[in-house]
Amino acid sequence: AQRVTQPEKLLSVFKGAPVELKCNYSYSGSPELFWYVQYSRQRLQLLLRHISRESIKGFTADLNKGETSFHLKKPFAQEEDSAMYYCALRGIETSYDKVIFGPGTSLSVIP
Amino acid sequence: EAGVAQSPRYKIIEKRQSVAFWCNPISGHATLYWYQQILGQGPKLLIQFQNNGVVDDSQLPKDRFSAERLKGVDSTLKIQPAKLEDSAVYLCASSLVMAGVMNTEAFFGQGTRLTVV
Repeated sequence: AQRVTQPEKLLSVFKGAPVELKCNYSYSGSPELFWYVQYSRQRLQLLLRHISRESIKGFTADLNKGETSFHLKKPFAQEEDSAMYYCALRGIETSYDKVIFGPGTSLSVIP
Repeated sequence: EAGVAQSPRYKIIEKRQSVAFWCNPISGHATLYWYQQILGQGPKLLIQFQNNGVVDDSQLPKDRFSAERLKGVDSTLKIQPAKLEDSAVYLCASSLVMAGVMNTEAFFGQGTRLTVV
């Protein structure tokens, strides 16, 4: 069964400090991992996906299959990074593709 | 491109009443999802359509929830009768995702906030 966990419900960091939002998953096949973000009063939107190996708004995430993790990192947090962050997983082996979400981490960047 | 449209944005109903939500996905997106997001939790998948067929409704409370996707485009989600615990934001999303195809994303609507009193 697919499962995504985010151990931290709330995370507060000071502006300029490094930030890491943790995500662990369980899935028997090859997953596709995403990070979605929801800023205040805005819709849920994709931040980045593991397959693209991209850096978006200074955030990066590396898929570690050995540890089944996909942690989101940024070296210097900014106030505008304050938002809800959701890790999501999609399995691609089945005849359809279900996207499931973790419970989310609320990031607060203190000025 | 135009985004996923949902209506209404807000709805307040009494328990045991009925309610319906509407979703218009992005044009050409074959896959449509309905998620329930209870305050403080992540989105929970209720039902997933591929074109106009249901591919996953394992977490849909079928005794009170129903959904359909007309002609593989718009979709409605209905609750009848509503319970207090149905209070949540109902999110609709769509994607081009197809089996075995990587590098896709789900695009979300703004959601409908339902309050059952």
